[in-house]
Amino acid sequence: NAGVTQTPKFRILKIGQSMTLQCTQDMNHNYMYWYRQDPGMGLKLIYYSVGAGITDKGEVPNGYNVSRSTTEDFPLRLELAAPSQTSVYFCASRGGTADQPQHFGDGTRLSIL
Amino acid sequence: DQQVKQNSPSLSVQEGRISILNCDYTNSMFDYFLWYKKYPAEGPTFLISISSIKDKNEDGRFTVFLNKSAKHLSLHIVPSQPGDSAVYFCAAYGGATNKLIFGTGTLLAVQP
Repeated sequence: NAGVTQTPKFRILKIGQSMTLQCTQDMNHNYMYWYRQDPGMGLKLIYYSVGAGITDKGEVPNGYNVSRSTTEDFPLRLELAAPSQTSVYFCASRGGTADQPQHFGDGTRLSIL
Repeated sequence: DQQVKQNSPSLSVQEGRISILNCDYTNSMFDYFLWYKKYPAEGPTFLISISSIKDKNEDGRFTVFLNKSAKHLSLHIVPSQPGDSAVYFCAAYGGATNKLIFGTGTLLAVQP
């Protein structure tokens, strides 16, 4: 029972490089989310999706892109990495109603140098 | 504009005693509240939730209280155990939004 799986767990990028953070879930959840957590801060929503083919911006979307071609996968793309994007990134999913809790992956720790 | 606030960055409690973690919110449209627990190098895990139509929800050693008039909720852990040491996040849903708003977290340390 894998739940939400994120890869990679750690990554160091140089300024200006691009990369994709992978997220996959095996619970057949329609809703998926990407958050970032900076030191001493709560989780900030980057993008979310309510189903395959549907995505929307969260609180801090600048510098990121997402796609949702399947129910299972919700990759997050950084096109031009900047030091301000150094953070821990969490992917989450949940079932159909708001009273169902979000299930989180273990995060990707990303450093931009 | 922090809609969900956890004003205590940290809390230290003796094993066996009660831990009380507090959370305040500003948006009266929030109608569902959750507490998550997070260990280092892991993702947050769901702990307990409460709907705005209730004022208390209990699950084993964990109880969440909601005071809507004060826009305040609290998580009580009784008795506290060393394994409860973690960061606790309060979070809220509001209205028709699909978005969960998180507080900044409280680091709980339970001393043996």
